[in-house]
Amino acid sequence: QTVVTQEPSLTVSPGGTVTLTCASSTGAVTSGHYPNWFQQKPGQAPRTLIYSTSSIHSWTPARFSGSLLGGKAALTLSGVQPEDEAEYYCLLYYGGVWVFGGGTKLTVL
Amino acid sequence: EVQVEESGGGLVQPGGSLRLSCAASGFTLSSYWMHWVRQTPGKGLVWVSRINSDGSDTTYADSVRGRFTISRDNAKNTLSLEMNSLRAEDTAVYYCARVRSSSGGYVAFDYWGQGTLVTVSS
Repeated sequence: QTVVTQEPSLTVSPGGTVTLTCASSTGAVTSGHYPNWFQQKPGQAPRTLIYSTSSIHSWTPARFSGSLLGGKAALTLSGVQPEDEAEYYCLLYYGGVWVFGGGTKLTVL
Repeated sequence: EVQVEESGGGLVQPGGSLRLSCAASGFTLSSYWMHWVRQTPGKGLVWVSRINSDGSDTTYADSVRGRFTISRDNAKNTLSLEMNSLRAEDTAVYYCARVRSSSGGYVAFDYWGQGTLVTVSS
């Protein structure tokens, strides 16, 4: 069974920079896993931030960026705002099926 | 305005069945692949199933394969999820999500519905 692993929790100061990662139990994450990143706030539906590793949607704030870093997918927030406090999930593709990571709870403190 | 809206959730007994629907508006459903994702209250997101644009190809998570069936009616702009042999562990909010993609290029989850709650309990 494929497992996708994210940091359970991270804390960042307002204005700071933080990188969330997404690792695959099958080996290095590549562009072929089409990494998507989602933000979810309590009581709300998920919102997609990043698709296919590093592409952004029209609604994605410029402070969010995606990349591949050391065999993992990565989501970097630069200049963190208080409203970025949320749960973040990555999603990876495995030949017809998709697997979510367990999520990272980001606290802005 | 692009919107997807789930309906059909509710309380069902273990072993029972339920059919969820996802109504699409503001776009042509037949141009997009669609997915179902679920979330147990207080827990993480879990991918459930996806269907290609014309309905000819479907895939499922191991946990629901053989019990759930995804389908679509492009003429009615509707996606469905038929759920049979329901278990307590199927209790979750079920979301439908639209996906844009290009062959060999990109795969972009974009619009999500607000979800519909399914509770499996006696």
